[in-house]
Amino acid sequence: NAGVMQNPRHLVRRRGQEARLRCSPMKGHSHVYWYRQLPEEGLKFMVYLQKENIIDESGMPKERFSAEFPKEGPSILRIQQVVRGDSAAYFCASSPGVPNTGELFFGEGSRLTVL
Amino acid sequence: KNEVEQSPQNLTAQEGEFITINCSYSVGISALHWLQQHPGGGIVSLFMLSSGKKKHGRLIATINIQEKHSSLHITASHPRDSAVYICAVEKLTFGTGTRLTIIP
Repeated sequence: NAGVMQNPRHLVRRRGQEARLRCSPMKGHSHVYWYRQLPEEGLKFMVYLQKENIIDESGMPKERFSAEFPKEGPSILRIQQVVRGDSAAYFCASSPGVPNTGELFFGEGSRLTVL
Repeated sequence: KNEVEQSPQNLTAQEGEFITINCSYSVGISALHWLQQHPGGGIVSLFMLSSGKKKHGRLIATINIQEKHSSLHITASHPRDSAVYICAVEKLTFGTGTRLTIIP
């Protein structure tokens, strides 16, 4: 029974390119959260999604960042026109059930380096 | 917006010592999470609490809803417990973490 799967584990992009990070939640989980951890900093919430719906995107930068969780397939965090400040570890977590009552299960993270 | 504070920020202890990490938050919540992040970066969920106390092996987590405070305790600490411990409220707001180092 696979846990939360994130890929790629490591991604290198040049400034101006696009980064796509994928997250497959645990089987049976319909809630996905994305978090960002800048170097030497704490975790920051970005976005909370359920299948086909963005529930809370209050932590997402207003420009260049988008997220989706389609009916079929993984959740995608997309960063357009990356800048050096986007270099960070991006973690996905999934949870079953009703919001705020389910335990969180984390993926291993995707580490983005922008050259 | 909930503010979450953890203390201490860094903690070094000898193997076998009893460890306490504290977390305070400013706004009432329905759930609080304790997470463990190892040096390699992976994150593991240790506990989810909405009231009272939970125990898992040598780890104990407590929460006082009225005082808006939670503690994570580690009994008989071991070098493999060395990690960053993070408190999170409502899955949305995180403390800055407590870096724990257990010396053999």
